[in-house]
Amino acid sequence: SQQGEEDPQALSIQEGENATMNCSYKTSINNLQWYRQNSGRGLVHLILIRSNEREKHSGRLRVTLDTSKKSSSLLITASRAADTASYFCATDSVNTDKLIFGTGTRLQVFP
Amino acid sequence: NAGVTQTPKFQVLKTGQSMTLQCAQDMNHNSMYWYRQDPGMGLRLIYYSASEGTTDKGEVPNGYNVSRLNKREFSLRLESAAPSQTSVYFCATSDRHQPQHFGDGTRLSIL
Repeated sequence: SQQGEEDPQALSIQEGENATMNCSYKTSINNLQWYRQNSGRGLVHLILIRSNEREKHSGRLRVTLDTSKKSSSLLITASRAADTASYFCATDSVNTDKLIFGTGTRLQVFP
Repeated sequence: NAGVTQTPKFQVLKTGQSMTLQCAQDMNHNSMYWYRQDPGMGLRLIYYSASEGTTDKGEVPNGYNVSRLNKREFSLRLESAAPSQTSVYFCATSDRHQPQHFGDGTRLSIL
């Protein structure tokens, strides 16, 4: 399988705490994307970071990318109960339009 | 603006039956994708279509066929359903190297 790996598989935190999820991948990439999936719904795109970028911010989200280690992290600051969802990383290779998804991190934020 | 619409939302089949999952988009994207999502796993690509009239195999194409009817529609067919094809199926669309937009999925059970 070409799937990437995410850790942790599951994460439980209290509202107001920060949540960090990590993603490792195997191939050279054009960009790396993070998606969110609420229970019973499709995936929703959160943020895209290009291979020549090292860090990107969007609201309470911060993404880092280390291409030498083939890894990325997603930080959600000041988490809310509404952030409860599964989060997936996906890598976009240079030569195709195909995304390779990680196995996901299930985040539970308790009020 | 519906985005990506999948039909049906739920389906139960008996082993050996056939059915077609439909996907339609109003986003004018060139690329369309079919994924399956199984418990504890990320999304795995079944087939994709980079443009109208073209289709290519993904990671898990066996047991499936697809048809890119026009730019808007991309269907997935199970000719002879097997219990191993019980899954949640997602359709997605995008332009090249851009984030994908997902439908809400078809939950398929094969008895």
